[in-house]
Amino acid sequence: GAVVSQHPSRVICKSGTSVKIECRSLDFQATTMFWYRQFPKQSLMLMATSNEGSKATYEQGVEKDKFLINHASLTLSTLTVTSAHPEDSSFYICSARDRTSGSSSSYNEQFFGPGTRLTVL
Amino acid sequence: SQQGEEDPQALSIQEGENATMNCSYKTSINNLQWYRQNSGRGLVHLILIRSNEREKHSGRLRVTLDTSKKSSSLLITASRAADTASYFCATDRGYSTLTFGKGTMLLVSP
Repeated sequence: GAVVSQHPSRVICKSGTSVKIECRSLDFQATTMFWYRQFPKQSLMLMATSNEGSKATYEQGVEKDKFLINHASLTLSTLTVTSAHPEDSSFYICSARDRTSGSSSSYNEQFFGPGTRLTVL
Repeated sequence: SQQGEEDPQALSIQEGENATMNCSYKTSINNLQWYRQNSGRGLVHLILIRSNEREKHSGRLRVTLDTSKKSSSLLITASRAADTASYFCATDRGYSTLTFGKGTMLLVSP
């Protein structure tokens, strides 16, 4: 089955530093990857949609200069949290969609990574 | 913004009982999906129901969809302790862009 990995699984950093999180599709090519954040005992909030070779599309209220997304290949997207603050502490989850289908009316299953726990001190 | 609203927020039952979770949404959808999340882990896709379907089954799972009421329900029959997790509905507004509900935390006691 389709597998998506994230690295690291946990990261602790100091305020003001930048943290990069990787999302990889291991056995399929992902035209589109999605980045979500989840606060404790809350739902997933879509942050941005990342398309290979183009700029990410950010959801309203998400600072694109704060959360840098790069989707340089069909198997890798990265999220960089710049100048991290304690309020950025959260669970970040990525998902990837197989490139084999692309119609808005067809179902294109998303495969989710295991998540990255970010703690900013 | 959150579109799906699940209820109940938390559900505690005994093994063998059935668990029913409900989800409401606000706009038109291509499909609605249910996911499971164990504490601190990623999401596992459980079942998808398309907008032109009314009911779907998968093992011990039964999902219904009422597009006129913009609501869906997930029924887990004969629950097990291993079913303990959070369950989320997610609506697909197109191109697999998902909007997640707030989730139901299910606790199944042995």
